[in-house]
Amino acid sequence: EDKVVQSPLSLVVHEGDTVTLNCSYEVTNFRSLLWYKQEKKAPTFLFMLTSSGIEKKSGRLSSILDKKELFSILNITATQTGDSAVYLCAVEAIGSQGNLIFGKGTKLSVKP
Amino acid sequence: KAGVTQTPRYLIKTRGQQVTLSCSPISGHRSVSWYQQTPGQGLQFLFEYFSETQRNKGNFPGRFSGRQFSNSRSEMNVSTLELGDSALYLCASSSGLAGVQETQYFGPGTRLLVL
Repeated sequence: EDKVVQSPLSLVVHEGDTVTLNCSYEVTNFRSLLWYKQEKKAPTFLFMLTSSGIEKKSGRLSSILDKKELFSILNITATQTGDSAVYLCAVEAIGSQGNLIFGKGTKLSVKP
Repeated sequence: KAGVTQTPRYLIKTRGQQVTLSCSPISGHRSVSWYQQTPGQGLQFLFEYFSETQRNKGNFPGRFSGRQFSNSRSEMNVSTLELGDSALYLCASSSGLAGVQETQYFGPGTRLLVL
């Protein structure tokens, strides 16, 4: 059965800290891995990763995929209180278009 | 471009009733996916529609059904509601074109409470 596991499930840090969120997956016919941020409403898209070893960056956030070891990490540097949210990792398989398999998420709390 | 819209935003029903939720995708998008989000199970895929046809289906009972109209708007219906159906129901849209790697864009969700 396809599955996505995120760790840790929750994390509390202070402003300015750097955090690393983990996502491992088992999926047949992997197509892509996506990261979303959810703040009590609709998940908003962060990154889509399809190739190993290519880092995607957006401001203080970055992510990379390892297709051999079947995991991805999401890094957030110089965290701010506005980064507090649930970060969701999802994978899509070839032939299952429109069907994202989500992990349970990592709840990040950034304290001032 | 307007985002994905969902109506209603909040809904309270009692056990045994049925409910219909609506989702309007981003203009030009032909694929609509539905997800159920609960604290215990997280986000779980219900089904996906593309050009009025159900292309993929998750592991939910037959009480959960959907349809898509020619303008790509989609509805989801849940019959004989159970307490466990209380959840945030999210829809997401994308172009849905084969061979195109793209993200899904989520709507704000409909929060359903079953009493």
